[in-house]
Amino acid sequence: AQTVTQSQPEMSVQEAETVTLSCTYDTSESNYYLFWYKQPPSRQMILVIRQEAYKQQNATENRFSVNFQKAAKSFSLKISDSQLGDTAMYFCACITSGTYKYIFGTGTRLKVLA
Amino acid sequence: DAGVIQSPRHEVTEMGQEVTLRCKPISGHNSLFWYRQTMMRGLELLIYFNNNVPIDDSGMPEDRFSAKMPNASFSTLKIQPSEPRDSAVYFCASSQAGTGVFEKLFFGSGTQLSVL
Repeated sequence: AQTVTQSQPEMSVQEAETVTLSCTYDTSESNYYLFWYKQPPSRQMILVIRQEAYKQQNATENRFSVNFQKAAKSFSLKISDSQLGDTAMYFCACITSGTYKYIFGTGTRLKVLA
Repeated sequence: DAGVIQSPRHEVTEMGQEVTLRCKPISGHNSLFWYRQTMMRGLELLIYFNNNVPIDDSGMPEDRFSAKMPNASFSTLKIQPSEPRDSAVYFCASSQAGTGVFEKLFFGSGTQLSVL
């Protein structure tokens, strides 16, 4: 069965600094997608970044980038130049191509300090 | 597009009452999901619809829970009778699945349900 593990329940970072959130996953499938979702205090889950497993190049979206290590089954999120608006819960998720079951991690609560 | 729209945003009810949560998915999306989020269990998939048809309801906790999708633009999740342990945030999400490939989920703002 697929699992997604986020081992950091809480993290904090100073404004303008860089922070990395960890995620490991376990799957026996070869074709899958990985995601980071952000859940701010407003509660709505927002897609931050997505990575296709067949792509070696790490995905980037402005200040957000991932370090995708397929062999190690690791998918960390790096936030550069942290902003107060980045304060949120961050969820890592995985879905196997051809299925509909997204597997979510337990989340990391990130607080950006002024 | 307005995104996935859920109502109500908050619902407070007493044990034993019927609760109905509503969801309007993004136009053109063929897949709809209901999730429940709690501190203890995280995000749990309750039910998945594809083209308005329930495909997987194995996550629905009990017979007290039921979900419908009468058309492509509307779905409901009903709890009858409600119990305090049903208190949680309920999310609706939609996606456009192309030949079985789900690339991203679009979530609504959720309904915070409190059963007293």
